[in-house]
Amino acid sequence: DAKTTQPNSMESNEEEPVHLPCNHSTISGTDYIHWYRQLPSQGPEYVIHGLTSNVNNRMASLAIAEDRKSSTLILHRATLRDAAVYYCILRLNTGGFKTIFGAGTRLFVKA
Amino acid sequence: EPEVTQTPSHQVTQMGQEVILRCVPISNHLYFYWYRQILGQKVEFLVSFYNNEISEKSEIFDDQFSVERPDGSNFTLKIRSTKLEDSAMYFCASDGIAKNIQYFGAGTRLSVL
Repeated sequence: DAKTTQPNSMESNEEEPVHLPCNHSTISGTDYIHWYRQLPSQGPEYVIHGLTSNVNNRMASLAIAEDRKSSTLILHRATLRDAAVYYCILRLNTGGFKTIFGAGTRLFVKA
Repeated sequence: EPEVTQTPSHQVTQMGQEVILRCVPISNHLYFYWYRQILGQKVEFLVSFYNNEISEKSEIFDDQFSVERPDGSNFTLKIRSTKLEDSAMYFCASDGIAKNIQYFGAGTRLSVL
């Protein structure tokens, strides 16, 4: 499985945007970039995914570099509820594949 | 929104006892998974299940573990003879064919004493 690299932790102020970076220099052409998050004492939760183009959904935006070797998850206005561990993961775009979790980025949100 | 349901939320057992963790995946999903997370560590893949058989398993998933889909809705993880190091959160997940999004349950906390 292709590897991703994320900072161990980041801090943000409430109501401000947060940009969570991820490097995936060995990404292959068929890998989709997925982001999951894990809130305290909960199971992982899907956030967003994309292949080449930037993506938006109700939770976040995903900005993908032109060479696809890096991506950034953008939370437009961080809330206290967004404090979680965020995982950047590479997956093929079909069901049936396990998710390989790294250590992720722990996001702290200050009031 | 559909969700994956896991029971019980917390299971306490004595070392050497058998436990069964239960999961109800999302109804039209076809792929099912178990993961575990030891306290303070990362989420680890255990096993995936499709078409009534194991499709992939990790080295953690040794002979003391088994999975079963006994009916059309439940998906279970059995640990035959629990060890202290089996204490962890166990997460069930499922996904469909078309959308590569895994949905996770809230987990079962297993405490082996």
